[in-house]
Amino acid sequence: EDQVTQSPEALRLQEGESSSLNCSYTVSGLRGLFWYRQDPGKGPEFLFTLYSAGEEKEKERLKATLTKKESFLHITAPKPEDSATYLCAVHRGSNYKLTFGKGTLLTVNP
Amino acid sequence: GAVVSQHPSWVICKSGTSVKIECRSLDFQATTMFWYRQFPKQSLMLMATSNEGSKATYEQGVEKDKFLINHASLTLSTLTVTSAHPEDSSFYICSAMKNVDEKLFFGSGTQLSVL
Repeated sequence: EDQVTQSPEALRLQEGESSSLNCSYTVSGLRGLFWYRQDPGKGPEFLFTLYSAGEEKEKERLKATLTKKESFLHITAPKPEDSATYLCAVHRGSNYKLTFGKGTLLTVNP
Repeated sequence: GAVVSQHPSWVICKSGTSVKIECRSLDFQATTMFWYRQFPKQSLMLMATSNEGSKATYEQGVEKDKFLINHASLTLSTLTVTSAHPEDSSFYICSAMKNVDEKLFFGSGTQLSVL
């Protein structure tokens, strides 16, 4: 059974304080690992897809990396508007069924 | 990015009534759509996979007679919660796959409260 574990569950940062979120996964035949951002009462917003170990993708203050066992979402010099829950999900096979982690609630204080 | 519209955003209904939630892909065609349920501080749980023109595939433990899914066109899927009960209260989210670049885009979610 596919498993996705995100840590920490919650993270509080001061504005400008860089940090990383972790997503550990157990899945045979990974086809893709997704990162999403979810604001309260909203659906997830797509951030990145990573397909193979060693791959990195960046978007503004966010950078996602992937190894064979885990992915990191690095946030550099965060701003209060980066506060949200960040979700990690994996899929295998051709049906695009995603298995989600529980997310990391990020709070950035001004 | 692609746009997936979901409505209503929230609905309150009495126990025993049925509620329909719509999910539309506004600027692309989606042969496959997915329905998720999310409880507070919990992960998104896949309920069913909806394929245009065919019956939905339900995940284990999801009652297909209670959660009716219809995917009548390439841009519209609906989820009907039949005879809703308070335990069905949850946040329901749809997603649609944009075939061209194989990305999944999510609707804004529907908060269902059953009294």
